Amino acid sequence: AQSVTQLGSHVSVSEGALVLLRCNYSSSVPPYLFWYVQYPNQGLQLLLKYTTGATLVKGINGFEAEFKKSETSFHLTKPSAHMSDAAEYFCAVPSNFGNEKLTFGTGTRLTIIP
Amino acid sequence: GAGVSQSPRYKVAKRGQDVALRCDPISGHVSLFWYQQALGQGPEFLTYFQNEAQLDKSGLPSDRFFAERPEGSVSTLKIQRTQQEDSAVYLCASSLNRGNQPQHFGDGTRLSIL
Repeated sequence: AQSVTQLGSHVSVSEGALVLLRCNYSSSVPPYLFWYVQYPNQGLQLLLKYTTGATLVKGINGFEAEFKKSETSFHLTKPSAHMSDAAEYFCAVPSNFGNEKLTFGTGTRLTIIP
Repeated sequence: GAGVSQSPRYKVAKRGQDVALRCDPISGHVSLFWYQQALGQGPEFLTYFQNEAQLDKSGLPSDRFFAERPEGSVSTLKIQRTQQEDSAVYLCASSLNRGNQPQHFGDGTRLSIL
């Protein structure tokens, strides 16, 4: 079954600095990968979605992610952090090819320092 | 409605009581998912419906957990004889159909078992 690993359960960056949140998938190239964001006491909101063939994926709120097969990675970045970006971020992958259920990473809590 | 609606938002129950959590998906969405999110963790898959058919219930932790979607729209997750370890946020998500359609999440029901 597919899985994802998120390195760093907590990340702190200064306002205006680069945001980098890490996600690595298990060895098989997945057909899809997702990044979701969760604000306190809310459900998950889709940030962006990777589909086979894409490399750089642009999402909402200025976020983007680069798919690197050689590194089995799908890291999330944003050039300049805003206070409103403070939230929990989850990387997710379909558990099995053709199966819709998602397997989530353990999440990264992003804190923005004023 | 415009999004996935879950009720109640908060539920407190005494150990041993039965609870029922409701999910109203986005109109027209064929697929419906339930996830359990423990404190500080990523969501974990419980069960999946396509229309009224429950196609996967492999994530249900015990036979105390039961889910239904009798008319292919609203779904109910029922937990019988609740235990303290059932305390978590229960998230419902819906999507248009199989494949790469992203899942849209509700705000969840926070269940606390005393």
